[in-house]
Amino acid sequence: GEDVEQSLFLSVREGDSSVINCTYTDSSSTYLYWYKQEPGAGLQLLTYIFSNMDMKQDQRLTVLLNKKDKHLSLRIADTQTGDSAIYFCAESIRTNKLIFGTGTLLAVQP
Amino acid sequence: DTEVTQTPKHLVMGMTNKKSLKCEQHMGHRAMYWYKQKAKKPPELMFVYSYEKLSINESVPSRFSPECPNSSLLNLHLHALQPEDSALYLCASSQVPGKETQYFGPGTRLLVL
Repeated sequence: GEDVEQSLFLSVREGDSSVINCTYTDSSSTYLYWYKQEPGAGLQLLTYIFSNMDMKQDQRLTVLLNKKDKHLSLRIADTQTGDSAIYFCAESIRTNKLIFGTGTLLAVQP
Repeated sequence: DTEVTQTPKHLVMGMTNKKSLKCEQHMGHRAMYWYKQKAKKPPELMFVYSYEKLSINESVPSRFSPECPNSSLLNLHLHALQPEDSALYLCASSQVPGKETQYFGPGTRLLVL
């Protein structure tokens, strides 16, 4: 199957950490991605992780991958109001396809 | 530079109009993509061009006609659209076809009246 699931909404206070979760079903995926979409804008690539890794850190972002459970998470440290957006995880599978998750709306309260 | 540009930013058209969306990248990428995104939904793949040839058509109605004049440009020709075609149309590119990172443009917001 090609389902990628995310929780719909997450609300955090400014300065706290945010954790956005994603589960996928295709075990053949090689790369998993996190994209950020601000209102009215396109998708901005935040980070990605290769499927043979279990963690990747990039400044305030930490990606954790549990391949056994097909679970991916994105942690944003010291969340700022500018982080408010919709976050999509995506897996790349056979051919040229990206399968996107349902998206998580992150709301950061000042 | 990981920039993909799209024009126009906004487009309003009637159901009898013909219009085109344009996408450009100068990263030397050889795969280009069109996606359609409805509000509060993830992008849905429409077409993939690989080395300027159409490699994937996700059963898109013929009122959408893609064109790849060269490796830097991708067009989407629109004709006789329906109001339900109103959406954000996103273009993306990747270095080579396959499991490569896709970079997205800002999108064209289309409204069909």
